[in-house]
Amino acid sequence: QVQLVQSGSELKKPGSSVRISCKASGYTFISHGLHWVRQAPGQALEWIGWINTNTGKPTYAQGFTGRFVFSLDSSVSTTYLQISTLQSEDTAVYYCARDPHTTLDYWGQGTLITVSS
Amino acid sequence: QSALTQPASVSGSPGQSITISCAGTSSDIGYFNYISWYQHHPGKAPKLIIYDVTKRPSGVSNRFSGSKSGNTASLTISGLQADDESDYLCSAYTRARSYVFGTGTRVTVL
Repeated sequence: QVQLVQSGSELKKPGSSVRISCKASGYTFISHGLHWVRQAPGQALEWIGWINTNTGKPTYAQGFTGRFVFSLDSSVSTTYLQISTLQSEDTAVYYCARDPHTTLDYWGQGTLITVSS
Repeated sequence: QSALTQPASVSGSPGQSITISCAGTSSDIGYFNYISWYQHHPGKAPKLIIYDVTKRPSGVSNRFSGSKSGNTASLTISGLQADDESDYLCSAYTRARSYVFGTGTRVTVL
């Protein structure tokens, strides 16, 4: 069965960086893009962007260019989200999700990133 | 991109039908027929229950149905059950080839 398993919660100081992971299983990794979405406390889900798992090409939503970087390690069917220069506003649950075509059908369990001094 | 607008809460008694609205614009809800709905228990992964406005993934109950009119999409849950108590989110694939999500609706079974 399709599964996306994310890495555990992170507590980071403002100005630092973090990298979280999303490991896919149960399907052919390169056949579907993987997206990143976040939900800050009390806020709606916000789309961060996606990575083409076949070509490695990332696409970032407006407002998420520069500090947010997607990467892949296809040998272990894993995608990564790195966020640099963390700010308190980055405190959120971050989800990865698979895209078969214009919907997000399977989601990871979420990774809580807390940015606090 | 602004979030899609959903009512904060909807409630109903067991066996009743409820409908959750999701209002957007001509650039998101109204642009493509790529509207999805998710059931989201806090702390868990969102579960896809409707895609492409009206389609249900395998294994999802036919008590869940979707529709769209203009810039507003709707999710109807018929024969409401205690198990349906959860948060529900809508999503649209937009003209800009991005995703936008709704503000979320808490469904309470009375």
